[in-house]
Amino acid sequence: QVQLQESGPGLVKPWGPLSLTCAVSGDSISSNNWWSWVRQPPGKGLEWIGEISPRGSTNYNPSLKSRVTISVDKSKNQFSLKLSSVTAADTAVYYCARELWAEDGSSGYDSWGQGTLVTVSS
Amino acid sequence: EIVLTQSPGTLSLSPGERATLSCRASQSVSGSYLAWYQQKPGQAPRLLIYGASSRATGIPDRFSGSGSGTDFTLTISRLEPEDFAVYYCQQYGSSPPDTFGQGTKLEIK
Repeated sequence: QVQLQESGPGLVKPWGPLSLTCAVSGDSISSNNWWSWVRQPPGKGLEWIGEISPRGSTNYNPSLKSRVTISVDKSKNQFSLKLSSVTAADTAVYYCARELWAEDGSSGYDSWGQGTLVTVSS
Repeated sequence: EIVLTQSPGTLSLSPGERATLSCRASQSVSGSYLAWYQQKPGQAPRLLIYGASSRATGIPDRFSGSGSGTDFTLTISRLEPEDFAVYYCQQYGSSPPDTFGQGTKLEIK
């Protein structure tokens, strides 16, 4: 049973950095799967932030690309999100998720963390 | 970037009825990498359908997906009380950025 758990500050000051970590259990961060971040502003829909591959390749949402960094820590079996220069518009529930890949392709985002609310406020 | 448009925005039905949700893409979705998720208040999204028509592990067979190219459909054959939630489509896989539709709220009539 794969489990993902987000952690990080729940309150971030405007123009500061947002940093979150997703701890993975039940799967290796070095497996064939990709690891993603998705966010959801209060009362709104889902927004894809970006992803990282087993080899460390990244893809980011073009609207956030200049401010986002996703990285992996293999020694701790976890991956991280850093978002710089945050504003109130970055207030959201942040989810980490696994994109399951097999030899015949991707099977979608099959495992999700429970989400963590990050509020940007002074 | 592929834009996904879901319709209707809100669907009001009664338990036992059939629900049909639509997702239209601004360009063809590569490899039919189209997924559907269910989200209930305070919960993370749950994968229902991947590859446009394959049910994820543990998903009841009243949920089915169809379509290809730019037009996709999620059908719930007979609504159960626990099916009332928000549903999102997503294109993923080999054509980043992955994108989500804006969601369809399925509410009890």
